[in-house]
Amino acid sequence: TQLLEQSPQFLSIQEGENLTVYCNSSSVFSSLQWYRQEPGEGPVLLVTVVTGGEVKKLKRLTFQFGDARKDSSLHITAAQPGDTGLYLCAGAGANNLFFGTGTRLTVIP
Amino acid sequence: DAGITQSPRHKVTETGTPVTLRCHQTENHRYMYWYRQDPGHGLRLIHYSYGVKDTDKGEVSDGYSVSRSKTEDFLLTLESATSSQTSVYFCAISGDRDSYGYTFGSGTRLTVV
Repeated sequence: TQLLEQSPQFLSIQEGENLTVYCNSSSVFSSLQWYRQEPGEGPVLLVTVVTGGEVKKLKRLTFQFGDARKDSSLHITAAQPGDTGLYLCAGAGANNLFFGTGTRLTVIP
Repeated sequence: DAGITQSPRHKVTETGTPVTLRCHQTENHRYMYWYRQDPGHGLRLIHYSYGVKDTDKGEVSDGYSVSRSKTEDFLLTLESATSSQTSVYFCAISGDRDSYGYTFGSGTRLTVV
């Protein structure tokens, strides 16, 4: 099993604040994905990063893949209540994705 | 229209009974997966399929079997349900293994009493 550790596990912030969540592993992945999951629903893909050092932006969300392709970060600028959810990172293995345990984000209006 | 649906959404069953969960897709994707999600463990792969009648085990396959007789349907069977199999089960599909862009269903919440 290729372990992905996410930190922090829980994060509660005020609307308008910035935040960063992390995804770390001792394994190298060919690609890494970020998902957001809302209560009662399945995860929804946000982004896939493939190249070491790659940075992708999705509106107020910035995703970075580590140079060694073992870690990734998600930065949210000016968080909104709609950003509330469980954020999951997932690394690509030979036949499937390995998921981290997630960061549960709450944005307080 | 959802490209992937799971049924049932909720189920309560008794220990020792067989249970089958269904995943149906309309995307004609080749790859289908069954995961379970538990607090503290995240999403763990149970079984996956890379084509009709082609399936393989994931990391937590004990006590589960799968079948895929048609591209659009992937069934997960708990042969004799146990309380440790109480969980939320998610099906996912992917058209291209290399891109690994998964689309998930809305999940089935299973309680074994």
